[in-house]
Amino acid sequence: GNSVTQMEGPVTLSEEAFLTINCTYTATGYPSLFWYVQYPGEGLQLLLKATKADDKGSNKGFEATYRKETTSFHLEKGSVQVSDSAVYFCALDLNTGNQFYFGTGTSLTVIP
Amino acid sequence: DVKVTQSSRYLVKRTGEKVFLECVQDMDHENMFWYRQDPGLGLRLIYFSYDVKMKEKGDIPEGYSVSREKKERFSLILESASTNQTSMYLCASSLSIGVTDTQYFGPGTRLTVL
Repeated sequence: GNSVTQMEGPVTLSEEAFLTINCTYTATGYPSLFWYVQYPGEGLQLLLKATKADDKGSNKGFEATYRKETTSFHLEKGSVQVSDSAVYFCALDLNTGNQFYFGTGTSLTVIP
Repeated sequence: DVKVTQSSRYLVKRTGEKVFLECVQDMDHENMFWYRQDPGLGLRLIYFSYDVKMKEKGDIPEGYSVSREKKERFSLILESASTNQTSMYLCASSLSIGVTDTQYFGPGTRLTVL
Protein backbone atom coordinates (compact mmCIF):
# COMPACT_ATOMS: atom_id res chain seq x y z
CA GLY A 1 0.00 0.00 0.00
CA ASN A 2 0.89 3.67 0.05
CA SER A 3 2.54 5.03 3.16
CA VAL A 4 4.99 7.52 4.61
CA THR A 5 7.45 6.72 7.38
CA GLN A 6 9.12 9.48 9.37
CA MET A 7 11.79 9.29 12.00
CA GLU A 8 10.30 9.28 15.43
CA GLY A 9 10.74 12.20 17.73
CA PRO A 10 10.88 14.15 19.72
CA VAL A 11 14.01 15.83 18.45
CA THR A 12 15.74 18.42 20.61
CA LEU A 13 18.50 20.59 19.18
CA SER A 14 20.45 23.62 20.27
CA GLU A 15 20.09 26.82 18.28
CA GLU A 16 22.26 26.87 15.12
CA ALA A 17 22.55 23.09 15.01
CA PHE A 18 22.07 21.12 11.79
CA LEU A 19 18.69 19.44 11.36
CA THR A 20 17.78 16.29 9.47
CA ILE A 21 14.35 14.66 9.67
CA ASN A 22 14.17 11.44 7.71
CA CYS A 23 11.22 10.55 5.53
CA THR A 24 10.78 7.51 3.32
CA TYR A 25 7.76 6.49 1.33
CA THR A 26 6.07 3.59 -0.36
CA ALA A 27 3.85 4.43 -3.30
CA THR A 28 2.51 3.17 -6.57
CA GLY A 29 3.20 5.39 -9.52
CA TYR A 30 4.96 8.72 -9.27
CA PRO A 31 3.88 10.70 -6.22
CA SER A 32 4.47 14.32 -5.34
CA LEU A 33 6.09 14.83 -1.95
CA PHE A 34 5.48 17.50 0.66
CA TRP A 35 6.68 18.74 4.01
CA TYR A 36 4.16 20.49 6.22
CA VAL A 37 4.84 22.28 9.50
CA GLN A 38 2.46 22.69 12.44
CA TYR A 39 3.29 25.38 15.00
CA PRO A 40 1.78 25.04 18.47
CA GLY A 41 -1.97 25.56 18.48
CA GLU A 42 -2.22 25.96 14.72
CA GLY A 43 -3.16 23.98 11.63
CA LEU A 44 -0.68 22.63 9.10
CA GLN A 45 1.15 24.93 6.71
CA LEU A 46 2.95 23.89 3.56
CA LEU A 47 6.70 24.18 4.04
CA LEU A 48 7.98 22.85 0.71
CA LYS A 49 7.19 20.35 -2.01
CA ALA A 50 8.70 18.45 -4.95
CA THR A 51 6.72 16.97 -7.79
CA LYS A 52 9.24 14.74 -9.56
CA ALA A 53 12.44 12.81 -8.99
CA ASP A 54 15.58 14.87 -8.28
CA ASP A 55 13.53 18.02 -7.64
CA LYS A 56 14.62 20.02 -4.61
CA GLY A 57 12.03 21.90 -2.62
CA SER A 58 13.19 24.77 -0.43
CA ASN A 59 11.69 27.42 1.83
CA LYS A 60 12.77 29.42 4.91
CA GLY A 61 16.19 27.74 4.90
CA PHE A 62 14.70 24.23 4.81
CA GLU A 63 15.26 21.96 1.86
CA ALA A 64 14.46 18.42 0.75
CA THR A 65 15.38 16.46 -2.37
CA TYR A 66 13.08 13.89 -3.98
CA ARG A 67 15.19 10.73 -4.26
CA LYS A 68 13.40 8.07 -6.27
CA GLU A 69 16.21 5.54 -5.97
CA THR A 70 16.02 5.55 -2.17
CA THR A 71 12.30 6.54 -1.99
CA SER A 72 13.23 9.33 0.39
CA PHE A 73 12.50 13.00 0.98
CA HIS A 74 14.60 13.99 3.99
CA LEU A 75 14.15 17.47 5.45
CA GLU A 76 17.30 19.47 6.26
CA LYS A 77 18.21 22.86 7.62
CA GLY A 78 21.72 24.09 8.19
CA SER A 79 21.11 26.22 11.27
CA VAL A 80 17.90 25.92 13.25
CA GLN A 81 16.32 28.70 15.30
CA VAL A 82 14.07 28.62 18.34
CA SER A 83 11.21 29.71 16.08
CA ASP A 84 11.56 26.45 14.11
CA SER A 85 10.16 24.52 17.07
CA ALA A 86 7.11 22.74 15.66
CA VAL A 87 5.84 19.40 14.44
CA TYR A 88 6.91 18.45 10.90
CA PHE A 89 4.87 16.15 8.67
CA CYS A 90 6.01 14.43 5.52
CA ALA A 91 3.26 13.63 3.01
CA LEU A 92 2.73 12.20 -0.44
CA ASP A 93 0.12 12.75 -3.11
CA LEU A 94 -0.42 10.04 -5.70
CA ASN A 95 -1.59 12.57 -8.28
CA THR A 96 -4.74 10.56 -8.85
CA GLY A 97 -7.25 12.53 -6.89
CA ASN A 98 -5.30 14.63 -4.47
CA GLN A 99 -5.64 12.24 -1.56
CA PHE A 100 -2.66 12.77 0.70
CA TYR A 101 -0.90 10.22 2.88
CA PHE A 102 0.77 11.73 5.94
CA GLY A 103 3.53 10.50 8.18
CA THR A 104 3.03 10.49 11.94
CA GLY A 105 4.90 13.75 12.45
CA THR A 106 8.21 14.61 14.11
CA SER A 107 8.27 17.07 16.97
CA LEU A 108 11.24 19.44 16.98
CA THR A 109 12.24 21.59 19.93
CA VAL A 110 15.08 24.07 19.53
CA ILE A 111 16.62 25.39 22.73
CA PRO A 112 18.58 28.65 23.00
CA ASP B 1 -3.92 33.83 0.17
CA VAL B 2 -6.16 30.86 0.63
CA LYS B 3 -8.10 30.97 3.81
CA VAL B 4 -9.69 27.95 5.45
CA THR B 5 -11.69 28.66 8.57
CA GLN B 6 -13.24 26.31 11.08
CA SER B 7 -16.21 27.24 13.20
CA SER B 8 -14.65 26.56 16.60
CA ARG B 9 -11.14 26.23 17.98
CA TYR B 10 -12.28 24.32 21.06
CA LEU B 11 -15.46 22.35 21.66
CA VAL B 12 -16.65 20.28 24.60
CA LYS B 13 -19.58 17.91 24.12
CA ARG B 14 -21.22 15.08 26.02
CA THR B 15 -21.45 11.45 24.97
CA GLY B 16 -24.41 10.87 22.68
CA GLU B 17 -24.71 14.45 21.48
CA LYS B 18 -24.87 15.26 17.78
CA VAL B 19 -21.89 17.44 16.87
CA PHE B 20 -21.41 19.64 13.83
CA LEU B 21 -17.98 20.89 12.76
CA GLU B 22 -18.03 23.49 10.02
CA CYS B 23 -15.33 24.38 7.54
CA VAL B 24 -15.35 27.21 5.00
CA GLN B 25 -12.79 28.02 2.29
CA ASP B 26 -12.72 31.22 0.28
CA MET B 27 -10.74 30.26 -2.83
CA ASP B 28 -13.29 28.38 -4.90
CA HIS B 29 -11.51 25.08 -4.33
CA GLU B 30 -13.21 21.96 -5.56
CA ASN B 31 -11.69 19.52 -3.08
CA MET B 32 -12.29 19.55 0.64
CA PHE B 33 -11.11 17.12 3.31
CA TRP B 34 -11.65 16.23 6.97
CA TYR B 35 -8.86 14.67 9.00
CA ARG B 36 -8.42 13.80 12.62
CA GLN B 37 -5.05 14.16 14.29
CA ASP B 38 -4.03 12.01 17.24
CA PRO B 39 -0.64 11.69 18.97
CA GLY B 40 1.49 8.98 17.41
CA LEU B 41 -0.99 8.41 14.59
CA GLY B 42 -0.50 11.54 12.52
CA LEU B 43 -3.35 12.66 10.29
CA ARG B 44 -6.01 10.21 9.23
CA LEU B 45 -8.51 11.00 6.51
CA ILE B 46 -12.16 10.74 7.54
CA TYR B 47 -14.04 11.95 4.45
CA PHE B 48 -13.38 14.05 1.41
CA SER B 49 -15.40 15.72 -1.30
CA TYR B 50 -14.60 16.60 -4.89
CA ASP B 51 -17.73 18.57 -5.60
CA VAL B 52 -20.97 19.85 -4.16
CA LYS B 53 -23.19 17.06 -2.82
CA MET B 54 -20.41 14.57 -3.47
CA LYS B 55 -18.52 12.67 -0.77
CA GLU B 56 -16.05 9.84 -0.51
CA LYS B 57 -15.03 7.79 2.52
CA GLY B 58 -11.50 8.10 3.73
CA ASP B 59 -9.63 5.69 5.96
CA ILE B 60 -11.72 6.06 9.13
CA PRO B 61 -15.32 7.10 8.26
CA GLU B 62 -17.07 5.05 10.96
CA GLY B 63 -19.08 7.22 13.33
CA TYR B 64 -18.93 10.25 11.04
CA SER B 65 -20.88 11.72 8.17
CA VAL B 66 -20.39 14.82 6.04
CA SER B 67 -22.39 17.35 4.11
CA ARG B 68 -21.41 19.61 1.22
CA GLU B 69 -24.38 21.68 0.10
CA LYS B 70 -22.28 24.60 -1.13
CA LYS B 71 -18.87 24.59 -2.75
CA GLU B 72 -17.21 26.64 -0.04
CA ARG B 73 -18.58 24.74 2.96
CA PHE B 74 -17.87 21.20 4.17
CA SER B 75 -19.42 19.98 7.41
CA LEU B 76 -18.37 17.03 9.53
CA ILE B 77 -21.11 15.45 11.63
CA LEU B 78 -20.72 13.16 14.61
CA GLU B 79 -24.14 11.52 14.81
CA SER B 80 -23.70 10.37 18.41
CA ALA B 81 -20.44 11.55 19.92
CA SER B 82 -18.34 9.07 21.86
CA THR B 83 -15.28 9.55 24.05
CA ASN B 84 -13.02 7.90 21.46
CA GLN B 85 -13.84 10.76 19.11
CA THR B 86 -11.99 13.19 21.35
CA SER B 87 -9.36 14.53 18.98
CA MET B 88 -8.08 17.44 16.92
CA TYR B 89 -10.08 17.80 13.69
CA LEU B 90 -8.48 19.47 10.71
CA CYS B 91 -10.20 20.63 7.55
CA ALA B 92 -8.31 21.16 4.30
CA SER B 93 -9.03 22.23 0.75
CA SER B 94 -7.26 22.03 -2.59
CA LEU B 95 -7.87 23.30 -6.07
CA SER B 96 -9.10 20.50 -8.28
CA ILE B 97 -9.22 16.77 -8.80
CA GLY B 98 -6.54 15.46 -11.12
CA VAL B 99 -4.27 18.39 -10.36
CA THR B 100 -1.37 17.93 -8.03
CA ASP B 101 -1.82 20.72 -5.60
CA THR B 102 -1.13 21.78 -2.10
CA GLN B 103 -3.72 21.12 0.54
CA TYR B 104 -4.49 24.20 2.63
CA PHE B 105 -5.45 23.61 6.22
CA GLY B 106 -7.65 25.36 8.72
CA PRO B 107 -6.50 26.01 12.30
CA GLY B 108 -8.20 22.92 13.67
CA THR B 109 -10.96 22.20 16.17
CA ARG B 110 -10.00 20.46 19.38
CA LEU B 111 -13.02 18.40 20.36
CA THR B 112 -13.41 16.87 23.81
CA VAL B 113 -16.22 14.39 24.37
CA LEU B 114 -17.01 13.79 28.05
